[in-house]
Amino acid sequence: AQSVTQPDIHITVSEGASLELRCNYSYGATPYLFWYVQSPGQGLQLLLKYFSGDTLVQGIKGFEAEFKRSQSSFNLRKPSVHWSDAAEYFCAVVPPEYGNKLVFGAGTILRVKS
Amino acid sequence: SQTIHQWPATLVQPVGSPLSLECTVEGTSNPNLYWYRQAAGRGLQLLFYSVGIGQISSEVPQNLSASRPQDRQFILSSKKLLLSDSGFYLCAWRGGGYGYTFGSGTRLTVV
Repeated sequence: AQSVTQPDIHITVSEGASLELRCNYSYGATPYLFWYVQSPGQGLQLLLKYFSGDTLVQGIKGFEAEFKRSQSSFNLRKPSVHWSDAAEYFCAVVPPEYGNKLVFGAGTILRVKS
Repeated sequence: SQTIHQWPATLVQPVGSPLSLECTVEGTSNPNLYWYRQAAGRGLQLLFYSVGIGQISSEVPQNLSASRPQDRQFILSSKKLLLSDSGFYLCAWRGGGYGYTFGSGTRLTVV
């Protein structure tokens, strides 16, 4: 079935440590790819997006993501996590055959320990 | 600049009562509009989207309905709420270049 998968429901990292959040998609063609962050009780903020071109995408707040076509993945990374990064992170896609829809993964809750 | 307004921020409603959540967009015309729901511990599920006035597409069968009476207004409704309708509801609009902007959300608790 066509889907967006975030295999990690919760991740805990120490402040200052590196972070990688995983995202895989299952569509016939490469969709448009997004990462959003949601702080508790808040709306969604776009971190970065990938449509085409350079497979390493830089976003806001020091985040980056790498598109790997062979793995159907779009993993989010940050070299050094800050306590303020604690939030829920969503990978999302616009499937190639459904240009009007933004489809989300289940989300990964990031906890940062000091 | 474009902004999206969503209200109310929180709502507590008894089972069987009606619901009306409103979303309006400013600074753009003929936007694609979306309603998402985030249930506790779950991701965001697309409920409805609209590409124009009176045009509504429903993604999942449910107790809710949507309407778009004006170009920049999108309303989520229910005639009789169920406990399972509780959740966090987000409105969004899509700008150029697949830029999606989300409202601040409505926390609905059905009791």
